[in-house]
Amino acid sequence: QKEVEQNSGPLSVPEGAIASLNCTYSDRVSQSFFWYRQYSGKSPELIMSIYSNGDKEDGRFTAQLNKASQYVSLLIRDSQPSDSATYLCAVNWNGGTSYGKLTFGQGTILTVHP
Amino acid sequence: DGGITQSPKYLFRKEGQNVTLSCEQNLNHDAMYWYRQDPGQGLRLIYYSQIVNDFQKGDIAEGYSVSREKKESFPLTVTSAQKNPTAFYLCASSIRAGGDYGYTFGSGTRLTVV
Repeated sequence: QKEVEQNSGPLSVPEGAIASLNCTYSDRVSQSFFWYRQYSGKSPELIMSIYSNGDKEDGRFTAQLNKASQYVSLLIRDSQPSDSATYLCAVNWNGGTSYGKLTFGQGTILTVHP
Repeated sequence: DGGITQSPKYLFRKEGQNVTLSCEQNLNHDAMYWYRQDPGQGLRLIYYSQIVNDFQKGDIAEGYSVSREKKESFPLTVTSAQKNPTAFYLCASSIRAGGDYGYTFGSGTRLTVV
């Protein structure tokens, strides 16, 4: 069983700070990685995808991937109260019985306080 | 607008009753998925379908059934055999099987046993 691990938090940061969310996964046979944001009572929405080692930036969001360390992270710069949500890490495995299905971590609750 | 429509938004089930959750997409996506989310938990895969008239069990399929007679539709039946059905149910789709493009989620159905 392939696994995705996140610190459930809550992670609390002041407005304007950088929020750093981390995710580790259990197997090197993986090919694509995603970050979803989920507001309370709502469904997840895709905010970032990353496929190769290194950094990928989109506005205030930066995803970082290190396949050798089996680690993916999400940085949110200039955090705003509207960023307060649960952030889900998801991994798509490249083979085996888990192929073609996203496996989700349990999510990290982020709170940005004014 | 293209998207995924789940209905109903809220559903109440009596003990011993079967209920069906609807999921319809007009994105022309090949693959569709059903996930369950319990409070404070990540998403757990119930069933998925990569093509019409074919579907596979996910990690927690017991007590659930699905059909995929049309590309656009992937209904989920929660049977009386599911002993703890109270949860938030999420339907998702992706362009193709394989998960490389991430998922688009519907707005969810909140099921409560009364």
